[in-house]
Order: sequence, then C-alpha cells, then structure tokens
Amino acid sequence: AQSVTQLDSQVPVFEEAPVELRCNYSSSVSVYLFWYVQYPNQGLQLLLKYLSGSTLVKGINGFEAEFNKSQTSFHLRKPSVHISDTAEYFCAGTQGGSEKLVFGKGTKLTVNP
Amino acid sequence: DVKVTQSSRYLVKRTGEKVFLECVQDMDHENMFWYRQDPGLGLRLIYFSYDVKMKEKGDIPEGYSVSREKKERFSLILESASTNQTSMYLCASTHGGGTYNEQFFGPGTRLTVL
Repeated sequence: AQSVTQLDSQVPVFEEAPVELRCNYSSSVSVYLFWYVQYPNQGLQLLLKYLSGSTLVKGINGFEAEFNKSQTSFHLRKPSVHISDTAEYFCAGTQGGSEKLVFGKGTKLTVNP
Repeated sequence: DVKVTQSSRYLVKRTGEKVFLECVQDMDHENMFWYRQDPGLGLRLIYFSYDVKMKEKGDIPEGYSVSREKKERFSLILESASTNQTSMYLCASTHGGGTYNEQFFGPGTRLTVL
C-alpha cells in the first residue's frame, strides 16, 4: 500500500523568504501526486498535481513542485512567500488503478512579517 | 465552478445521538468521499461512493455509515455519536474513471460531541 510522509509538521518562515515543504511517497508502481492547501476554516484546494511528463510542476499562487523518482520525493517550493500563504499544506497520492487519495499528515506553514 | 456544500459548518451533539452530515455537489460527479481531519493525523478516509447506492469502506469506517440515494448527495451517519468522533468532517467529489481527477472539497463540518 502506498504511504505519503510529510517530514515537517510545522514550518515558520519570514515574509519574502523561500520555502520548501517536504513530501516523500512509497510505492512500487506508478503514482499520481498532489499538493493541496487548506486556509483557516476552509476546505482543501488543489495547488498542483503530477501525473506524468515533466518532473517540474507549476501550480497556483507561485508554487511549484518537483517529482523525483529516485528519491521518491515530491517537495513543494516557493521562492518568496507572502503572509497570505499561511495555511496547512497536504501532500497526497494515488496508486495506479485506485481513485482514493492517501494524504500526508500535513505541514502548517506560518509566514511571519 | 464546481461547488461542494455541506449542510452545517458547526454542529454540537450529545453522546448517543444519531447524527446526519449532508454533502451535495453540483457537477454531476460520480465519486464522493467522506474524510475526517484531526490535528497531526491529516485526512483519513471514512467511506466513499462511486455511484448511486454504491459504497466502499475507507480506512476508518467503524462507527459510521453512509447513504447515497441520489447522485448529487452523499450522507454520513453516526448511528450513536461518541466523544471520540469529535472532529472536522470533509466531503469531496470527483469525476469517475480516472485516478488523476482532482477531488473538490466542501468547507467542512466541525462536529463536537459532548
């Protein structure tokens, strides 16, 4: 069974600094990977997804992620964060043939002025 | 835009009560999901449905049941609520037939069982 691990439960950064949120997956078959964002008191919203093709995926709000098969990673990055990026971020994946998502435990990003 | 709505944002119930959480989507999606979200545990799948009257257990179905009588509506039922079911409940939907389809989420229902 596939599992998704988010290595940091909380990440504090200063405004305009770069940030990387780490995600590793385990699977012996092809995977589809997603990053979702949850702003306070809201549901989840898709940031970006990797299905196939280019390993660098660009999403909304200036975020991007790189799929690295050899390291089984799908880290999320943003070169310069804003206060409004404060939220909880979830990495998720599926395994070929399944329509269910497996979620990581989430990373709370706090952007300080 | 796809819209997934949940009947309540906040709900307070007493131990032993029967609780219904309703979810409605307006995009003719085949698949619908119920998750619970707890701090430090992320989202865990309770049940999902891939068609009307069809359902499949997720990772933590104990203490829950579901109903899907119409394509747009998916209900989560707590037959006899307990305090350990205090949580945030999220509903999601997606088109069927592909593992890469984005799941669209409702705003969540924060349930407190006293």
